[in-house]
Amino acid sequence: AQSVTQPDIHITVSEGASLELRCNYSYGATPYLFWYVQSPGQGLQLLLKYFSGDTLVQGIKGFEAEFKRSQSSFNLRKPSVHWSDAAEYFCAVGARDDYKLSFGAGTTVTVRA
Amino acid sequence: DAGVTQSPTHLIKTRGQQVTLRCSPKSGHDTVSWYQQALGQGPQFIFQYYEEEERQRGNFPDRFSGHQFPNYSSELNVNALLLGDSALYLCASSFVANYGYTFGSGTRLTVV
Repeated sequence: AQSVTQPDIHITVSEGASLELRCNYSYGATPYLFWYVQSPGQGLQLLLKYFSGDTLVQGIKGFEAEFKRSQSSFNLRKPSVHWSDAAEYFCAVGARDDYKLSFGAGTTVTVRA
Repeated sequence: DAGVTQSPTHLIKTRGQQVTLRCSPKSGHDTVSWYQQALGQGPQFIFQYYEEEERQRGNFPDRFSGHQFPNYSSELNVNALLLGDSALYLCASSFVANYGYTFGSGTRLTVV
């Protein structure tokens, strides 16, 4: 069974600074990896996904993530954070022919002025 | 184009009662998945419906059941509610059970 660990429960970053959120997964085969964002009272919005190919994936809102098989990681990055990026971020893993997603516990991002 | 619509948005129930949550998928989507998100946790997969049948189920007791209608909308039913069932219930739709999920805003269920 697949699982996801997000080591950081809460991250505070200054507006304009860079952001990196960590995600480690456990899965025996090639995983399908996702990052979602959830604003208060809202559902989940997909930021980006990785199925195969180029290990650096570009997403919406200026986010990118890099798949590193040797480290079982899929970290999310943004070069310059905006106040509107304050939200909760979830990493998720899926598997081919198994369409459920397994989510991490999430990382809450606070942006200070 | 409407996205995924869930109703109601909030609900308060008493222990032991039964509840039904509803989901209308995004236009063009035929598959509906349900997730439970407890406070401070990530969503957990409950089950997925495709062609009006449950095709995959997570680690949830039989108290959790569902249904998909011919128009692809879906219901989640929970019987004999426990305090621990208090959570945000998310519905996600997709086309032909692929990973192009669109999530609704959820139903916040509180069991007292």
